[in-house]
Amino acid sequence: EVQLVESGGGLVQPGGSLRLSCAASGFTVSSNYMSWVRQAPGKGLEWVSVIYSGGSTYYADSVKGRFTISRHNSKNTLYLQMNSLRAEDTAVYYCARGAWDWGQGTLVTVSS
Amino acid sequence: QPVLTQPPSSSASPGESARLTCTLPSDINVGSYNIYWYQQKPGSPPRYLLYYYSDSDKGQGSGVPSRFSGSKDASANTGILLISGLQSEDEADYYCMIWPSNAWVFGGGTKLTVL
Repeated sequence: EVQLVESGGGLVQPGGSLRLSCAASGFTVSSNYMSWVRQAPGKGLEWVSVIYSGGSTYYADSVKGRFTISRHNSKNTLYLQMNSLRAEDTAVYYCARGAWDWGQGTLVTVSS
Repeated sequence: QPVLTQPPSSSASPGESARLTCTLPSDINVGSYNIYWYQQKPGSPPRYLLYYYSDSDKGQGSGVPSRFSGSKDASANTGILLISGLQSEDEADYYCMIWPSNAWVFGGGTKLTVL
């Protein structure tokens, strides 16, 4: 059974950093394309980033230069390093395998 | 990035059908893309429902009932999610998505109310 468990969210001040983790089971992260998608409170879905099996990475313009997606193959875990955080980054962050399997999400709140 | 347009709300009665639309901008041809559909209930992550490219190229999510189906209206440059035999449990937000140029693009979502 495919399972995705996000962690690492929390309250951070503007300008701060957080690293989100997405622990996967039931499949191999490095053999799939993996994405991060976020949802601000009461708002719709916004794609954040993708990493392909070959290692190529892409980012939404809103996070380019501030966020970095990566994976640890032996831990079968996906990461999202978030730097220079802004209030508008406040959201629930979901990791996803392909377009099909989603985790439960982790809440990131950027506030002073 | 293109913007996918979804009506903010829709409603129908139990047993009826609901037709949810996702309109692509005029410079993007709906015929060129898979249209993905997601269902989201309050406090839960999005659930993948299906994708639709054509009648010969489509896929249903695991465990998703066959009363959820996809189609396209090329004349309106629109993707369509049809939910037949509506049930109260279908009340949720529904999002469409396309995948152009290494980025996902979501519609703004439609809140479906089952009266």
